[in-house]
Amino acid sequence: GQQVMQIPQYQHVQEGEDFTTYCNSSTTLSNIQWYKQRPGGHPVFLIQLVKSGEVKKQKRLTFQFGEAKKNSSLHITATQTTDVGTYFCAGISGGGADGLTFGKGTHLIIQP
Amino acid sequence: ETGVTQTPRHLVMGMTNKKSLKCEQHLGHNAMYWYKQSAKKPLELMFVYSLEERVENNSVPSRFSPECPNSSHLFLHLHTLQPEDSALYLCASSRSGSFGDEQFFGPGTRLTVL
Repeated sequence: GQQVMQIPQYQHVQEGEDFTTYCNSSTTLSNIQWYKQRPGGHPVFLIQLVKSGEVKKQKRLTFQFGEAKKNSSLHITATQTTDVGTYFCAGISGGGADGLTFGKGTHLIIQP
Repeated sequence: ETGVTQTPRHLVMGMTNKKSLKCEQHLGHNAMYWYKQSAKKPLELMFVYSLEERVENNSVPSRFSPECPNSSHLFLHLHTLQPEDSALYLCASSRSGSFGDEQFFGPGTRLTVL
């Protein structure tokens, strides 16, 4: 079945440093979504990417979808304490028969 | 209430108990989902309902039984659970049953099976 791998599992950064998490799929994806889950909270939708090579920005967050539609990344510039949480990617392949397949997430820990 | 609500927020049950989790969405969506979130494992899709009909059942054990009486409510009936079923159970909804739609998650029910 479809697998979505996400690295790193944990990332410690100093406040103000940049952060990147990477998502790789075993199959070509039709689209990919990114979610953020704060400690003790629930996943909250951030963005969806659909097109090959697509790049989208939300303030300090930059999302990319690979040309082959098998990988994606989320980059945060100049992290702030409010960025703390777990970032998940979730992909859909083919006709979506397997539903959304989530990666294990990257836990972002920020040291002030 | 707005968004997606879940009750109870915490539940402790023995292996012989029967309990139910409730989810309600106030967004006018047509699809609802149950997910299981365990430590160190990816979020796992359990059930999908679109327009009150089940369209997905990812080989979930029969000790979990979903019910969707209408497009706003979703239940997960639990019976004879195992300790490994302890996890955060998340309900979500989306505008349609298409997985290309944004999913709105509820706060979850933290379940502990003794």
